[in-house]
Amino acid sequence: AQSVTQPDIHITVSEGASLELRCNYSYGATPYLFWYVQSPGQGLQLLLKYFSGDTLVQGIKGFEAEFKRSQSSFNLRKPSVHWSDAAEYFCAVGAGAGGTSYGKLTFGQGTILTVHP
Amino acid sequence: DGGITQSPKYLFRKEGQNVTLSCEQNLNHDAMYWYRQDPGQGLRLIYYSQIVNDFQKGDIAEGYSVSREKKESFPLTVTSAQKNPTAFYLCASTAGTGSYEQYFGPGTRLTVT
Repeated sequence: AQSVTQPDIHITVSEGASLELRCNYSYGATPYLFWYVQSPGQGLQLLLKYFSGDTLVQGIKGFEAEFKRSQSSFNLRKPSVHWSDAAEYFCAVGAGAGGTSYGKLTFGQGTILTVHP
Repeated sequence: DGGITQSPKYLFRKEGQNVTLSCEQNLNHDAMYWYRQDPGQGLRLIYYSQIVNDFQKGDIAEGYSVSREKKESFPLTVTSAQKNPTAFYLCASTAGTGSYEQYFGPGTRLTVT
């Protein structure tokens, strides 16, 4: 079964600073990988996804993520953080075709981002 | 606009009562999912349905039940057998076979006292 680990429960950065949120996954085949963002009391919004091809993927709101198969990682980055980026971020991995897990996502525990002015 | 609606936003119930959370989508998606979210635990899958009149248990199905009588609707019932029902509940959908991109509703916060 697949699993996702987000090692950082809470990260604090200053506005304008760069950001990297870590995500490590465990899955036997090529994974489908996602980053979602959640504002307090709201649903999740998709930031970006990786299925195949170029290992550096661009998303919305200036975010990008890089898939590194050798490290089983899919870290999220942003060059300059804005106060509005304060939220909780979730990494997720999707099971491949076949079996009852098809189409399901497994989520990490989330990383809460605080942005200082 | 297409999307997923969950109602109500906040729900309060007394212990021992069953309660049903609504989830409706107008995206014409085949698959729908219910998640439970607790602080520090991410999202845990309760039930999912890939087609009408069919659904499967997720990782934490005990104390919950669902139905899928219509493509656009996937209500979740939290029964009195659920030991710790107070949580934030999220509904999601995907287009179906071959699609992993899940679209989420705004969530329902259930408080049981």
